[in-house]
Amino acid sequence: KAGVTQTPRYLIKTRGQQVTLSCSPISGHRSVSWYQQTPGQGLQFLFEYFSETQRNKGNFPGRFSGRQFSNSRSEMNVSTLELGDSALYLCASSLVDEQYFGPGTRLTVT
Amino acid sequence: AQTVTQSQPEMSVQEAETVTLSCTYDTSESDYYLFWYKQPPSRQMILVIRQEAYKQQNATENRFSVNFQKAAKSFSLKISDSQLGDAAMYFCAYRSKGSQGNLIFGKGTKLSVKP
Repeated sequence: KAGVTQTPRYLIKTRGQQVTLSCSPISGHRSVSWYQQTPGQGLQFLFEYFSETQRNKGNFPGRFSGRQFSNSRSEMNVSTLELGDSALYLCASSLVDEQYFGPGTRLTVT
Repeated sequence: AQTVTQSQPEMSVQEAETVTLSCTYDTSESDYYLFWYKQPPSRQMILVIRQEAYKQQNATENRFSVNFQKAAKSFSLKISDSQLGDAAMYFCAYRSKGSQGNLIFGKGTKLSVKP
């Protein structure tokens, strides 16, 4: 089975722009979660989607949003980018209890 | 709120030796999951081992085993016969049984393996 895939792998954006990241889960997995990883804050949970519904949300501002499609693929969007949004964004898919992570998207905001 | 603490920012082990990484957590819940993830320089997070809180038996996966002490809220990872490929960041993570997506991570331990 193919693993979790994330596109793009690397992204450079300017402050004030918006960005969309994509995640394709493992086939058959209906839950997709997003995490932000930074050196200062570590790994922080953004949100989780299951069957196209946001089921759980972390403590991030409204500039961070996401959605899930009927094929379980998920996107996250960050609007009005700030320098502090520079991070590795990880997506994880899950069937039951265990989460399997993708390779991440490295976002740099200049 | 639940918290996860990894008190060892860095550890080092000689190849073929055994090393133990520490993790403590705080929760008022009785049923939950605990995980160890490995993140090598490639940045891909890899699930190493999982433990269910209601199972008393410690989980084992090949050279990796855990020492789960529920009363002490401790969940350490033992790596036996360390290999060069074990060098990575190791993260301890907690998830409530009822919270499908929300993994709570510790800050991580960077493990170096010396040849």
